[in-house]
Amino acid sequence: AQSVTQLGSHVSVSEGALVLLRCNYSSSVPPYLFWYVQYPNQGLQLLLKYTTGATLVKGINGFEAEFKKSETSFHLTKPSAHMSDAAEYFCAVWVSGTYKYIFGTGTRLKVLA
Amino acid sequence: DTEVTQTPKHLVMGMTNKKSLKCEQHMGHRAMYWYKQKAKKPPELMFVYSYEKLSINESVPSRFSPECPNSSLLNLHLHALQPEDSALYLCASSQDHGVSNSPLHFGNGTRLTVT
Repeated sequence: AQSVTQLGSHVSVSEGALVLLRCNYSSSVPPYLFWYVQYPNQGLQLLLKYTTGATLVKGINGFEAEFKKSETSFHLTKPSAHMSDAAEYFCAVWVSGTYKYIFGTGTRLKVLA
Repeated sequence: DTEVTQTPKHLVMGMTNKKSLKCEQHMGHRAMYWYKQKAKKPPELMFVYSYEKLSINESVPSRFSPECPNSSLLNLHLHALQPEDSALYLCASSQDHGVSNSPLHFGNGTRLTVT
């Protein structure tokens, strides 16, 4: 069965510091992976996606993620945090066969001034 | 601005009321979804419509009744809800259902409170 694990329900970084949000998946077939961001009182917004091809994926707002098959990981990074990055981040895998998305439990990012 | 529009933004209803949530998208997407999100939790899938037909019902109680009048509109009819149904209800759409690289586009949700 496919699943997604996000390590760390809360992450705090200083403004200007590296952001690293962790996501590991389990899948018996090639996964299709997504990162979404949710700002307070809003819906989820797609940051980036990996389906096939290049393993380093660039998204919006300066975020990127690298698909590492050997580590079953899809960690999200941003070189320099901005106050506006404070939000909830969800990793998701699209489950082939069931045609559903499985979301991780989310990581709340706090950016300190 | 979100391309998926949900109304109302907030809704307070009693347990005997009947109300409806509405969702609209004009991106030409053929799949539409209802998700329920409790505080500090990920979205939970409720229903999926593909080409205006209900394709997935995640064993949702019958007090929630979805409707897809056309490819751009999705409604969720509510009746005899319970306080535990209070949550953020999110509508989403995707270009197609069952296509792996077809990401979800979410609306900003309806914050529902059942009293």
